[in-house]
Parts: sequence; structure tokens; C-alpha cells
Amino acid sequence: AQSVTQLGSHVSVSEGALVLLRCNYSSSVPPYLFWYVQYPNQGLQLLLKYTSAATLVKGINGFEAEFKKSETSFHLTKPSAHMSDAAEYFCAVSVAGGTSYGKLTFGQGTILTVHP
Amino acid sequence: DTAVSQTPKYLVTQMGNDKSIKCEQNLGHDTMYWYKQDSKKFLKIMFSYNNKELIINETVPNRFSPKSPDKAHLNLHINSLELGDSAVYFCASSQGTSGRFQFFGPGTRLTVL
Repeated sequence: AQSVTQLGSHVSVSEGALVLLRCNYSSSVPPYLFWYVQYPNQGLQLLLKYTSAATLVKGINGFEAEFKKSETSFHLTKPSAHMSDAAEYFCAVSVAGGTSYGKLTFGQGTILTVHP
Repeated sequence: DTAVSQTPKYLVTQMGNDKSIKCEQNLGHDTMYWYKQDSKKFLKIMFSYNNKELIINETVPNRFSPKSPDKAHLNLHINSLELGDSAVYFCASSQGTSGRFQFFGPGTRLTVL
């Protein structure tokens, strides 16, 4: 079965600073990896996805993530934080086969706070 | 032009009651899902349907019964509601059963008193 660990339940940055949200996964088969964002009282919006093509993935709102198989990581970054980035971010994994096929498994989420 | 919609958005009810949540998607997808997000924001899949057929059924109490009248709709009926059922329930849809590229609805916040 696959799993996801997000390091740091809360991350706080200043506006204009680098955003780095950490995600490590565990999977016995090649994974597909995703980052979702959830604004307060809203649903989940897909930010970006890795599906075995390019390892550096660009998403919406200036976010990107790099798949590093050797580190089993898929960290989310943004060069310059904006106030509107304040939200909760979820890393998720799915696999192409096995008993967990078709299931999205989520990390526990990281709340991003952006200070003026 | 909403892609995945859920009704109601908020649901407050007493313990022991029976309630339903409805989900509809207009994306033309053939697979739909129910997720539960608990008070700690942990998201876990409950069910998924592909073309009206149940394909994922996680360890969920029998009080929860999903129904898919067609591939654009997936409803969730909950019998004998308990305090622990209080959560946000998200519906999602995707094309195919791989679980990739899921689009989520806005969620239904269920509060059991």
C-alpha cells in the first residue's frame, strides 16, 4: 500500500519569500503524485501532477514540484509567496496497479500562512 | 458551469437520523468517489463507482450506502447517524479507474448533534 508524509503541519513565510512544502511518499510500484490546495471552506483544487513524464512539474499559480525517486520526495515550491497562497496543501499519491489501484492516498496536509 | 456539485453544502442533524448527500458531475467522467475529511483535515477514500458499478469499498460502516443511478450521479445515504460521522464529505470524479486526475466537489459539512 502507498502512503504519504507531509513534513510540517504548519509553514509560515513572509510575502515574497520562498515557499517549500515537503512531501515524501512510499509506494511499492511507480507512483503518480499530486498536490492539491484547499482554501478555507472550499473543496480541493488540483495544483499539479506527476504522471511519469518530466520530473519537474509546473502547476498553477506559479507552483512547481520535483519528483525525486532516490529521495522518494515530491516537494512543492514557489519562488515568491503571495498573500493569496495562504491555504492548506495536500500531497497525494496513486498507483497504476496493485490492490491500491484507483485510490488517492492523501498526506495529512500543511497549512501555509503568509505574513505581510 | 460547475464541474462537480454537491447538495447540501451544510447539513446539521440529530443522532440517529438518516440523511443523504447528493453529487453530480457534468465533466462526462465515468468514475466517481466519496471521501471523508475528519476534524483533523485527514482525507480518506470511502467508495468509488465506475459506470454505476462499485469498485472501491473501504472499511466503512454498513450505515453508509452509496448509490449511483447513472455515471453522472453518486449519492451517499447514511443511516442512524452518530457523532463520529461529523465531517466534511467530498465527492470527486475522474475519467477511468486509475484514480488520477480527480476533480473534487465543494464538500458537504455534516454536523451530528
